[in-house]
Amino acid sequence: KNQVEQSPQSLIILEGKNCTLQCNYTVSPFSNLRWYKQDTGRGPVSLTIMTFSENTKSNGRYTATLDADTKQSSLHITASQLSDSASYICVVSGGGSYIPTFGRGTSLIVHP
Amino acid sequence: DSGVTQTPKHLITATGQRVTLRCSPRSGDLSVYWYQQSLDQGLQFLIQYYNGEERAKGNILERFSAQQFPDLHSELNLSSLELGDSALYFCASSVLGGVLETQYFGPGTRLLVL
Repeated sequence: KNQVEQSPQSLIILEGKNCTLQCNYTVSPFSNLRWYKQDTGRGPVSLTIMTFSENTKSNGRYTATLDADTKQSSLHITASQLSDSASYICVVSGGGSYIPTFGRGTSLIVHP
Repeated sequence: DSGVTQTPKHLITATGQRVTLRCSPRSGDLSVYWYQQSLDQGLQFLIQYYNGEERAKGNILERFSAQQFPDLHSELNLSSLELGDSALYFCASSVLGGVLETQYFGPGTRLLVL
C-alpha cells in the first residue's frame, strides 16, 4: 500500500531560526514529490515539485531535497518568519497518471 | 488569490440530502481537480478532468460524481450525504493537467452534514 509519512507531526520554533521537515514514502513506481504550504482554512499552495532525477529544489527560503534511493525527502526552511506558521504537506505520485498519496502534514508554529 | 473560485464557501445540510459544489478554474487552465480534506483522513484526491473528459480517478465514492462543462467550470455532486462527508472540498486547476504541473487551489467549500 502506498504511504507517505511525515515527521514531526508538529513543530514550534522561534522566528529567525531554521527548521527541517521530513517525508518518507513507500509509493512505487515513483513519479514526483510535491511540498505544499497550507494556511489554516485555506487551500494548499505549491512550494516545490521534484522528479526522480532532481535531488534539490529551492523556492526562496524553502529548499526541498529528495533521495529516491532511500525514499526520503526533506523541506528546509531558512530564517523562519511568522508567516511560515502553517501546515506543510508532502505529496507523492506514482505511475504515469496523477494519483497522489498525501502525508498528514507537519504543523509549524513560528513564535516571535 | 490563486484565481480559482469556488462556491459556496459554506454549506450546511442534513443527512440524506444532495448538494452541488461549483468550481471555476484559472483563466486558461484546462484541467480541474477535486480534493476532500477531513480531520480524520487528511487530504484525499477525488477526481481530475481535462477539457471536459475524466483523466484520473482517486478515492471518490459512488455517491459522488463530477463533471467539467464546455466553459471549463466544474461541479462536484454529493448525494445521500452522511455525517462523515463533512469536510473541506477543494478544487484546483492547472494548464494542461500534466503530472508535473503546478496546481492552483481554490479557497474551498466547507460542508457540514448534520
